[in-house]
Amino acid sequence: EAGVVQSPRYKIIEKKQPVAFWCNPISGHNTLYWYLQNLGQGPELLIRYENEEAVDDSQLPKDRFSAERLKGVDSTLKIQPAELGDSAVYLCASSLGSGEQFFGPGTRLTVL
Amino acid sequence: AQSVTQLDSHVSVSEGTPVLLRCNYSSSYSPSLFWYVQHPNKGLQLLLKYTSAATLVKGINGFEAEFKKSETSFHLTKPSAHMSDAAEYFCVVSGGTGRRALTFGSGTRLQVQP
Repeated sequence: EAGVVQSPRYKIIEKKQPVAFWCNPISGHNTLYWYLQNLGQGPELLIRYENEEAVDDSQLPKDRFSAERLKGVDSTLKIQPAELGDSAVYLCASSLGSGEQFFGPGTRLTVL
Repeated sequence: AQSVTQLDSHVSVSEGTPVLLRCNYSSSYSPSLFWYVQHPNKGLQLLLKYTSAATLVKGINGFEAEFKKSETSFHLTKPSAHMSDAAEYFCVVSGGTGRRALTFGSGTRLQVQP
């Protein structure tokens, strides 16, 4: 069974440019999570989806970050415009309801 | 509110010797506690979880952890370290808003010397 798939794995952009990350969860998992992991720290939740509904986005910086999960499957996380401080690893995870969360390999973003 | 504190940012052991990674938690709820491992360039993998059943929890790859409510601790141990155990380990608590939010510790990097 395929795990959580994320792309791209690495992204380097100039500051003020837009960037988007894509996540394909494990088949059948209705809950999807986006986490931010800064260097040397543990992941922090940005947003959680139940099917296509964002049920917890309290930690998402809405001035520049947006996310969508239009058909309740794949999800996209966008940053526009990117800032130097956004350099980090962006992790996607999925679960069946409140069960175990399975994590993807992450997208490492570098903002120059 | 909930939080976890991993008491050591780096732990170095020799291959074949015991491993101890320390974690203390704080939670307003009856917490669920987890240990995750993160190898370089790989996704986080669940090692084990505690959900109010047995206080001694056995996980994958020979790891285990003991939930001690009186000490608010959930330390991770392994009797004999292997080179492949070298990785970043995260102690995690859940049970907050929505009861699905995971709160991660800052991580402990385990080095295994030959």
